[in-house]
Amino acid sequence: DAGVTQSPTHLIKTRGQQVTLRCSPKSGHDTVSWYQQALGQGPQFIFQYYEEEERQRGNFPDRFSGHQYPNYSSELNVNALLLGDSALYLCASSLVPGATYIQYFGAGTRLSVL
Amino acid sequence: GIQVEQSPPDLILQEGANSTLRCNFSDSVNNLQWFHQNPWGQLINLFYIPSGTKQNGRLSATTVATERYSLLYISSSQTTDSGVYFCAEVNTGANSKLTFGKGITLSVRP
Repeated sequence: DAGVTQSPTHLIKTRGQQVTLRCSPKSGHDTVSWYQQALGQGPQFIFQYYEEEERQRGNFPDRFSGHQYPNYSSELNVNALLLGDSALYLCASSLVPGATYIQYFGAGTRLSVL
Repeated sequence: GIQVEQSPPDLILQEGANSTLRCNFSDSVNNLQWFHQNPWGQLINLFYIPSGTKQNGRLSATTVATERYSLLYISSSQTTDSGVYFCAEVNTGANSKLTFGKGITLSVRP
């Protein structure tokens, strides 16, 4: 049973560039959420996708966008990268979007913006 | 907004010692999870515990929802228990957005 998988594991970009991160949910899960974790902090919710639509969004600018495919995999896109976007980006999946469902996390993508 | 506070922020233990990690939350919860973040960044699920008590080996957790706190107990700590422990909650009406605390950094020394 494959868990949540994310790619790539590490990424280095320069300011102003664009980046795409990828996530495959745990087998049988159809809901994907993305989180940003700055150094020394807890993860912060970016947005959640279910049925190929963004269902909920945290306090992040429009430079952060996403997509979900029919196979439930998801992408996180960040445009016009800033130094402050350097962080660990975590993907979580759950069975459905309900509050009482356990969320499982991938190993993350570590993004460095120079 | 919803606040999740964890204490203490840092904890240093000798191998074999017991510890209690605390999580206070500011609103009623539908979901509370404890995670262990390993040195590579992965969040490992420890407990899903919106209320009551659960045990898994040397770890156990208790959530008292009416008093808005949760406790994670680690007994007979091992060096492999080192890392950052997070609690995260989903409050009523927040769909499934997890709100995390800042984490507790645990160091277990041999």
